[in-house]
Amino acid sequence: GENVEQHPSTLSVQEGDSAVIKCTYSDSASNYFPWYKQELGKGPQLIIDIRSNVGEKKDQRIAVTLNKTAKHFSLHITETQPEDSAVYFCAASMQGGSYIPTFGRGTSLIVHP
Amino acid sequence: SQTIHQWPATLVQPVGSPLSLECTVEGTSNPNLYWYRQAAGRGLQLLFYSVGIGQISSEVPQNLSASRPQDRQFILSSKKLLLSDSGFYLCAWRGINEKLFFGSGTQLSVL
Repeated sequence: GENVEQHPSTLSVQEGDSAVIKCTYSDSASNYFPWYKQELGKGPQLIIDIRSNVGEKKDQRIAVTLNKTAKHFSLHITETQPEDSAVYFCAASMQGGSYIPTFGRGTSLIVHP
Repeated sequence: SQTIHQWPATLVQPVGSPLSLECTVEGTSNPNLYWYRQAAGRGLQLLFYSVGIGQISSEVPQNLSASRPQDRQFILSSKKLLLSDSGFYLCAWRGINEKLFFGSGTQLSVL
């Protein structure tokens, strides 16, 4: 089955700095890679996703890159703000079917004002 | 629009007591439904998923069970809670294009 490794487990940055979270996956058949943000005491929310037919996707201050050859993908947050502080999860899966995504263990991002 | 309801938000139960957590989805039909648990940290552990009424798949052998009595209702149960059942329980449904939508979660403390 799929195995997703996520690093770092904790990331501390100053407001305005950039933050990068990296994930690797093991199953070359995976073709859908979402990122979720979980604020304290709440359920995770999808913030951006990427499919295997593209290498990069951007939405305002967040972007995701995908390297299918190396089987890794990354979340980039620019100009971080205190409200970006949360736990971020990556996931990998195949589209369709029963759809059982495999999640990384999460990264706790702390943005210091 | 689609919404997901999960309750209660917080629950404190003694060891050995039963459990019933309910999740309902509105605005969609025949969704894939999921129960996840987060225990003492951040990882999302998949407990059960369902692709239709009465169809439940278990990912991890444990003290819990799940049922789907109606298309948009997913219930997590236990006959006798253990201390190790404490955690943050999340229900989710699968929308279009594989997007997962999570409920607000139930913080369960077993004492």
